[in-house]
Amino acid sequence: GAVVSQHPSRVICKSGTSVKIECRSLDFQATTMFWYRQFPKQSLMLMATSNEGSKATYEQGVEKDKFLINHASLTLSTLTVTSAHPEDSSFYICSARVGRRWDTQYFGPGTRLTVL
Amino acid sequence: DAKTTQPTSMDCAEGRAANLPCNHSTISGNEYVYWYRQIHSQGPQYIIHGLKNNETNEMASLIITEDRKSSTLILPHATLRDTAVYYCIVRVPLSGGYQKVTFGTGTKLQVIP
Repeated sequence: GAVVSQHPSRVICKSGTSVKIECRSLDFQATTMFWYRQFPKQSLMLMATSNEGSKATYEQGVEKDKFLINHASLTLSTLTVTSAHPEDSSFYICSARVGRRWDTQYFGPGTRLTVL
Repeated sequence: DAKTTQPTSMDCAEGRAANLPCNHSTISGNEYVYWYRQIHSQGPQYIIHGLKNNETNEMASLIITEDRKSSTLILPHATLRDTAVYYCIVRVPLSGGYQKVTFGTGTKLQVIP
């Protein structure tokens, strides 16, 4: 099956620093990538949707200047958490989709961000 | 948006069938029902999806009621590795080809030895 990787798997940073998370589709080209956030014992919340070469579409309540998304190629999307604060500590998951059918959406393993 | 409701948690004995219900009473005619599961600290894993007819694959079976207001995911012989949070999702198509998905709270299935 299709594989989506995320790097790093875990990151700990100091408050005020920026953190970049990479999402890669390893064996397919993803027309669309999604970024989710998941707080402990809660469900996944969609943060944004991005298509290669265009600006991301952010969900209501998600600050686009704080969560910068770049989808520069069909196999790579990055999420940068700028000026991170402890409340940004969460599990960030990306997914990549080929085509328009939703069952072709493949999820990455997630990145655990801890902001001290 | 069509919303789903699921029980918060369920237990199932190892080797027995696990039946996970989901209500989606506001589903519209062209919306599919999808099931994903998430094992602790991992990304979600696709299980199965359907529109009207019952579906079966190597992982599970999906039973959708005739009025489509509810469905049941069946794991025929649950194993300890099936312990996970199971999400029932109704796909909401949006214009431009984007398909927004809302994850509910899911059902935490605990398979007991």
